[in-house]
Amino acid sequence: SAVISQKPSRDICQRGTSLTIQCQVDSQVTMMFWYRQQPGQSLTLIATANQGSEATYESGFVIDKFPISRPNLTFSTLTVSNMSPEDSSIYLCSAGTAQGTEAFFGQGTRLTVV
Amino acid sequence: SQKIEQNSEALNIQEGKTATLTCNYTNYSPAYLQWYRQDPGRGPVFLLLIRENEKEKRKERLKVTFDTTLKQSLFHITASQPADSATYLCALASGSARQLTFGSGTQLTVLP
Repeated sequence: SAVISQKPSRDICQRGTSLTIQCQVDSQVTMMFWYRQQPGQSLTLIATANQGSEATYESGFVIDKFPISRPNLTFSTLTVSNMSPEDSSIYLCSAGTAQGTEAFFGQGTRLTVV
Repeated sequence: SQKIEQNSEALNIQEGKTATLTCNYTNYSPAYLQWYRQDPGRGPVFLLLIRENEKEKRKERLKVTFDTTLKQSLFHITASQPADSATYLCALASGSARQLTFGSGTQLTVLP
């Protein structure tokens, strides 16, 4: 299994600014992902964080808006850039191992843009 | 386009009864299907996985069925307890990818 720590757990930000969310896993994992969960809705995959290379983005999400880094097997960051109120959401980091098929999730970052 | 639907947004049942949640999908050929539990303010927690060639899986009071012909999974909680109250999400994955596509979730409330 893997324990995922995300920070910050919540933040209130001014529109036009950027926020970087950090995700730390307690063991080496193969895959890391970032999801968004809007209030009362399910999770939507933003991108797959690839170690040492550019992230793979899903349709509707672009690198300029959501730059992602993954410098090693246990750490990744997601930046929400030039924020607007529409970016208010919960952002979740997820990880999986090569051996298992289940996904492990952080507790999420609740972002409010005012 | 791929679509995953869970039967209802909210389900209330009496303690001790069996809760049955439904997950239907279209335009998808999943290698496996997973169920997660999510409590308010927390990330989802994995419960059960069932593969495309399996019909049924059990874990303690939980049972999952998977019908690839009907494109449906049923998730049962027997002898339900108030502590089972949470949102339950089904998720599909294809092949070796670990990327999951989630349903909208069903909020289960078990009444004492």
